[in-house]
Amino acid sequence: SQTIHQWPATLVQPVGSPLSLECTVEGTSNPNLYWYRQAAGRGLQLLFYSVGIGQISSEVPQNLSASRPQDRQFILSSKKLLLSDSGFYLCAWSLPDTHTGELFFGEGSRLTVL
Amino acid sequence: GQNIDQPTEMTATEGAIVQINCTYQTSGFNGLFWYQQHAGEAPTFLSYNVLDGLEEKGRFSSFLSRSKGYSYLLLKELQMKDSASYLCAVRDSNYQLIWGAGTKLIIKP
Repeated sequence: SQTIHQWPATLVQPVGSPLSLECTVEGTSNPNLYWYRQAAGRGLQLLFYSVGIGQISSEVPQNLSASRPQDRQFILSSKKLLLSDSGFYLCAWSLPDTHTGELFFGEGSRLTVL
Repeated sequence: GQNIDQPTEMTATEGAIVQINCTYQTSGFNGLFWYQQHAGEAPTFLSYNVLDGLEEKGRFSSFLSRSKGYSYLLLKELQMKDSASYLCAVRDSNYQLIWGAGTKLIIKP
């Protein structure tokens, strides 16, 4: 069966510090991978998605970046965090070219920038 | 612009039935999803509708009317564990998901 794991679960970082959130998927090949941010009272915001190694699409301009160094690994990074980067970050995967395209989410990473 | 509207919060009684509505205005339509999200946890998939009508899955059912840009999630025989947020999401013509802000459902004994 397929599993997805992201870490760390909780992170408290000062403004201006770097960030690295990691996500790995097991049990499937060539998944579509996604990074979302969820702010209180708002819908999930798609940050990045990837359909293959080294292929990253950015949905919103920001100081965050994403990388996919391996087929089932997706990393969210920042060189200098802003207060506005605080939120609940979710990694997700879906099967490529499927009818429903349902998303399977990781456990989430709660980031607090102070 | 693209928009998904759903009530912010609803309250229901254990054992009862509740209907959570979702209306949408998107650039094209390629399916509508409902997800459940317990506080502090990740969303989990509940249902998918792409054709008009009702999809039933146990205690949960989801309805879609594409002409009205409308869907609802129906929860029967409510249990305390159903207390969660319910997220409506629509896939547009570019196959991108547009998410509603979610409806927080509170179940009272």
